[in-house]
Amino acid sequence: EPEVTQTPSHQVTQMGQEVILRCVPISNHLYFYWYRQILGQKVEFLVSFYNNEISEKSEIFDDQFSVERPDGSNFTLKIRSTKLEDSAMYFCASSELGRYSYEQYFGPGTRLTVT
Amino acid sequence: TQLLEQSPQFLSIQEGENLTVYCNSSSVFSSLQWYRQEPGEGPVLLVTVVTGGEVKKLKRLTFQFGDARKDSSLHITAAQPGDTGLYLCAGGVVQGAQKLVFGQGTRLTINP
Repeated sequence: EPEVTQTPSHQVTQMGQEVILRCVPISNHLYFYWYRQILGQKVEFLVSFYNNEISEKSEIFDDQFSVERPDGSNFTLKIRSTKLEDSAMYFCASSELGRYSYEQYFGPGTRLTVT
Repeated sequence: TQLLEQSPQFLSIQEGENLTVYCNSSSVFSSLQWYRQEPGEGPVLLVTVVTGGEVKKLKRLTFQFGDARKDSSLHITAAQPGDTGLYLCAGGVVQGAQKLVFGQGTRLTINP
């Protein structure tokens, strides 16, 4: 069964460093998303992406964050200058176009630890 | 700001008992998803409901979307230890692509 994959599974970085989290969405999906989950808290929406542009972003998704689809298969989240409070699980999700666009399938996540 | 509140947050029952988990909001959602999440992993989609009053069954699990599309419930019949886990509800908000608003989750423990 097709699935969303994410790399790396765990990333440790120092405050102020740039990180890039990578995702390979399900191949026939056209909507892509990033969510994050701080330990013990709710899953929070960060950004949605369609047709090579951002559809919507949350207040969390400030100028330090960017997303890109550099080729036909990868979808990336870049954090330019990490802060301690960016430590969280980051989940990529994807969904189809059309009537099933509301069914979002999540990857296993990348645990980001900022020290 | 749309919010989803799940209740109870924790539930521990004996194998064979029935249970219901609730997901409530004052906002209308275009869809309602139920996910199950294991520790350190991503949410796994169980079911989607989109029509007010819709009921879907997945083996011993019954999911219902409220008539006004503001609330949902998950009912498990004859719970088994394998049902132990974190159950999340998520409401779909349509603004272009759908974003999901998640509840805080219900941690369910089924004791043998």
